[in-house]
Amino acid sequence: QVQLVESGGGVVQPGGSLRLSCAASGFTFSSYGMHWVRQAPGKGLEWVAFIRYDGSNKYYADSVKGRFTISRDNSKNTLYLQMNSLRAEDTAVYYCAKGSGYPGSQDYFDYWGQGTLVTVSS
Amino acid sequence: SYELTQPPSVSVSPGQTARITCSGDALPKQYAYWYQQKPGQAPVLVIYKDSERPSGIPERFSGSSSGTTVTLTISGVQAEDEADYYCQSADSSGTPYWVFGGGTKLTVL
Repeated sequence: QVQLVESGGGVVQPGGSLRLSCAASGFTFSSYGMHWVRQAPGKGLEWVAFIRYDGSNKYYADSVKGRFTISRDNSKNTLYLQMNSLRAEDTAVYYCAKGSGYPGSQDYFDYWGQGTLVTVSS
Repeated sequence: SYELTQPPSVSVSPGQTARITCSGDALPKQYAYWYQQKPGQAPVLVIYKDSERPSGIPERFSGSSSGTTVTLTISGVQAEDEADYYCQSADSSGTPYWVFGGGTKLTVL
């Protein structure tokens, strides 16, 4: 069965950096686009970033553009999110989500990991 | 930017029918998706492409679409259905941009 396991969360000071990882199993990782979605404490879901199955296209929410970088290593079945210049408002649980495989904006999130908490605080 | 609007809360008694709406200008052109999230858990897809149900999702969950509004219907609500429900769609006017509604808390009385 599909498994997505996030890691790398923790407490970081404003302006700091953190790299999240998502280990995937149970499906052909190299065939599917992948997303990061976050949820601030007590708030709703916010899409963060998408990467195409081969890494050739990447899209970002305006709130993280220029600060976050999504990447993947298909040889390791692992998705990454490099987060730089972190702000208090980036505090959230970060979920990786498997794309359904449909092209472009028709893609959706068919499986989710359990999430990893990122806290930005001094 | 593209927005999806949901009611903050819906309450129903067990066995009744719950309807959760989601409104957005692009919904006539884009599919909608619904996710269930229970406290402390990750979201789970319950409806895709407006009205399709993934395997393993009970038949009491259904979806429909009419103009700029999509609706998640839960027939014969059970206590275990108490959760937050999020609609989701996408903006395709430029580069793809995925959007969630603000979420609806379903309370089973």
